[in-house]
Amino acid sequence: DAGVTQSPTHLIKTRGQQVTLRCSPKSGHDTVSWYQQALGQGPQFIFQYYEEEERQRGNFPDRFSGHQFPNYSSELNVNALLLGDSALYLCASSLWDRPAYEQYFGPGTRLTVT
Amino acid sequence: AQKITQTQPGMFVQEKEAVTLDCTYDTSDPSYGLFWYKQPSSGEMIFLIYQGSYDQQNATEGRYSLNFQKARKSANLVISASQLGDSAMYFCAMRGVASYDKVIFGPGTSLSVIP
Repeated sequence: DAGVTQSPTHLIKTRGQQVTLRCSPKSGHDTVSWYQQALGQGPQFIFQYYEEEERQRGNFPDRFSGHQFPNYSSELNVNALLLGDSALYLCASSLWDRPAYEQYFGPGTRLTVT
Repeated sequence: AQKITQTQPGMFVQEKEAVTLDCTYDTSDPSYGLFWYKQPSSGEMIFLIYQGSYDQQNATEGRYSLNFQKARKSANLVISASQLGDSAMYFCAMRGVASYDKVIFGPGTSLSVIP
């Protein structure tokens, strides 16, 4: 049973560039959430996708956008990168109809903006 | 607004001893779930234990137990018989029970197990 997978593992970008991160949910899961974890801090919720729609969004600017595909996989896009966007980006998958159950996290993508 | 507080930035414990990691929370939701996650240096967030706000008994999962005191809004994690592999960051988290509810994480506690 494949768990949550994310790609790439590491990424280095320059200020002002755009980046796309990818996530494949655990088999059978239909909901994907994205989190940003700055160094030394807890993860911060970015947004959640279900049925290819954004269902909930955290306090992040419009530079952060996403997409969910019919196979439930998801992308996180960040435009006009800032130095402060450097962080570990975590994807988590869950089942929409079991909202209080645990969600499973991927290994993360470590983004460095120079 | 929901908030998670973890007042212990760092903790040390002797191998084979038990340790308690503190977590307090604030929410106005009548129903919610509380989680603990472990994050080793590799970065992956590992689910440890879950407690529903209306669960009558404290949750247990192997060496992990959650000391849930609803009136005090605390959800402390107890790790029994600590092992060297328990050295990691530990995050307390909370979410409402609606499908669209987001998970709120605390700042984390760094646990170091001493041989």
